[in-house]
Amino acid sequence: GAVVSQHPSRVICKSGTSVKIECRSLDFQATTMFWYRQFPKQSLMLMATSNEGSKATYEQGVEKDKFLINHASLTLSTLTVTSAHPEDSSFYICSARPPDRGKGGEKLFFGSGTQLSVL
Amino acid sequence: RKEVEQDPGPFNVPEGATVAFNCTYSNSASQSFFWYRQDCRKEPKLLMSVYSSGNEDGRFTAQLNRASQYISLLIRDSKLSDSATYLCVVTTSGGSYIPTFGRGTSLIVHP
Repeated sequence: GAVVSQHPSRVICKSGTSVKIECRSLDFQATTMFWYRQFPKQSLMLMATSNEGSKATYEQGVEKDKFLINHASLTLSTLTVTSAHPEDSSFYICSARPPDRGKGGEKLFFGSGTQLSVL
Repeated sequence: RKEVEQDPGPFNVPEGATVAFNCTYSNSASQSFFWYRQDCRKEPKLLMSVYSSGNEDGRFTAQLNRASQYISLLIRDSKLSDSATYLCVVTTSGGSYIPTFGRGTSLIVHP
C-alpha cells in the first residue's frame, strides 16, 4: 500500500528557533498533501493544504508566515515552524492521497507524525 | 455546529463486549466516509471505508445512513488491543477535496 514518510519523529528545540518537518510520499506522486496539528486529546486540525507547484492554502486562524509550507516536488512537502514558541508544541502530522480517484484515491495515507516540544 | 461530530467518550467496556460508535455529519453533499483508528501519539490508520450498503470486516461493521447523516462503527467481541481512538472522516468530492475529521471517540477495553 501507499507509504508516507515523515521526519523527524520528535524534535525538542529552544524557543525562537525554526523547525523543518519533511513529508514524503514514497511510492506515489502526491499533488496534494495535508498538514494537521493535534493537541493532546483533541482532534486533528487541518492547518493547510499543500499543492505542488503553487502556494499552500491555509485554514482560518493559521499564520502563513509562521508555518511555512513548501511543496517543491510531487513527492515532498515541508512544513517549517518559524520562531517556535512553547505554545507551538504539538503533534504535527502530514497526509497525502494517491492522485487517481476511485482507485483508492480518496483514502488518506499518513506520515508517522512529529512531536514538537518547544522549551 | 461542527461539520463532523463524535462522542469523545471514553467508552469503557470489558473484553468480549460489543460496542458501537456513531458519527454525524452536517454536509449533505458528503460523499466518502471512513473510520480511522489512532493510537496515542501515532498517526491515524485506516480501519475501513463506509459504503451505503454497509460493510463488514471481521469483528468490525460499518454502516452509513444518508437520510439521517450519520455513520456507525460496531465492534464485536472487543479485544484489549482495540483500545484506541476511533476517528470518523468525511470527505466532499467535486472540486476541492478536503477530508474533515471528527474529534474521535476513545475506547478502552479492560480485562
